Amino acid sequence: DVKVTQSSRYLVKRTGEKVFLECVQDMDHENMFWYRQDPGLGLRLIYFSYDVKMKEKGDIPEGYSVSREKKERFSLILESASTNQTSMYLCASSLKVWGAGANVLTFGAGSRLTVL
Amino acid sequence: GESVGLHLPTLSVQEGDNSIINCAYSNSASDYFIWYKQESGKGPQFIIDIRSNMDKRQGQRVTVLLNKTVKHLSLQIAATQPGDSAVYFCAENFRGFGNEKLTFGTGTRLTIIP
Repeated sequence: DVKVTQSSRYLVKRTGEKVFLECVQDMDHENMFWYRQDPGLGLRLIYFSYDVKMKEKGDIPEGYSVSREKKERFSLILESASTNQTSMYLCASSLKVWGAGANVLTFGAGSRLTVL
Repeated sequence: GESVGLHLPTLSVQEGDNSIINCAYSNSASDYFIWYKQESGKGPQFIIDIRSNMDKRQGQRVTVLLNKTVKHLSLQIAATQPGDSAVYFCAENFRGFGNEKLTFGTGTRLTIIP
């Protein structure tokens, strides 16, 4: 069964702390994504990566950075957490199907981050 | 249907009835549209997709309709079951400039009444 695993389901951090959210996929997918999900706002793309060591900004990258040193792992970093970053964070991956087929994402179960 | 804002649209349907969830998309150049289902405590799961050159696609108990004239997408679920209770998201996929982008709607909460 294909899997995207997010290491932490629930985290509580203090304002100003550095936060790492880890995501690992075992499907050999080229593409990986980080979204945040807030009630009534749907899923908003933070960063994505189409290859190792490659990253692209999504719609709301401010306050976040990412790292992709290995194909299977995509990390989201909050350099200095703030209360407005309290949210559900979803990692996803997909096969690179440029020119054919839908970009179907497989999501992890999510990491709920609370910043106090 | 889906809308921008802080309130998640909701739809309550009697078990066994059909349900229709609506979605308005924004980019007329999007080439694929996808429906995802998110159950409580889980990440979204793929349900069905439709290419922009189609107007209807059927799966198991689900049908997606695409009206490009008014940029509208709908998901029909036949004979709803308790397990259909979830939040449903539409997403539009746009390819261009060497990459592709998937943009999600705000979601609709479907509740099945026993």
